[in-house]
Amino acid sequence: EIVLTQSPGTLSLSPGERATLSCRASQSVSSSQLAWYQQTPGQAPRLLVYGASTRATGIPDRFSGSGSGTDFTLTISRLEPEDFAVYYCQQYANLPRSFGQGTRLEIK
Amino acid sequence: QVQLVQSGAEVKEPGASVRVSCKASGYTFTPYYMHWVRQAPGQGLEWMGYVYPKNGGTNYAQKFQGRVTLTRDTSSSTTYMELSRLRSDDTAVYYCVRENYYYDYWGQGTLVTVSS
Repeated sequence: EIVLTQSPGTLSLSPGERATLSCRASQSVSSSQLAWYQQTPGQAPRLLVYGASTRATGIPDRFSGSGSGTDFTLTISRLEPEDFAVYYCQQYANLPRSFGQGTRLEIK
Repeated sequence: QVQLVQSGAEVKEPGASVRVSCKASGYTFTPYYMHWVRQAPGQGLEWMGYVYPKNGGTNYAQKFQGRVTLTRDTSSSTTYMELSRLRSDDTAVYYCVRENYYYDYWGQGTLVTVSS
């Protein structure tokens, strides 16, 4: 089973700042089959990035994903008020599917 | 447009079973695996398993083996998640999710509350 560990647990930033979220896998995620999701309170998660670096349809270009193997990063270049949410990484290379524990991005 | 519409909230007593439905529309139902993911209050996302609508094949997380059953009805493009022997720690929002390698569409979620 691939265990995903996200850091930090909570990130406190101001609008306009840059956010860097990390996701580390316990073993290599083949073919970069890693996705990032955003979840706001009371809503289902929303796909942001798949294939480690491909933005989903309609996702603003301030969101970017990078990484391969065991280390992946989601970067938000300039935070907008609506970006303050919880972010999850997920691997879809292996069964069982697994998620990181989430990073909460809060307004400083 | 793709939509996954789930059944409404449920309140169950410990030891009971619950069945949640997920009706798909806006795409061809059978080729896409349907996964189920749950989220306990204030917690993260937990994978439960999937059903493959084309042939009914399933795969379950070890944690839920023997308690969860995923089925589908191709005539109505609906998948079902049944969880038995409910405990208080099964209180969660349950999501159906279409897999297109990654999870591209999510249902709105169904809150299942287990309480005596």
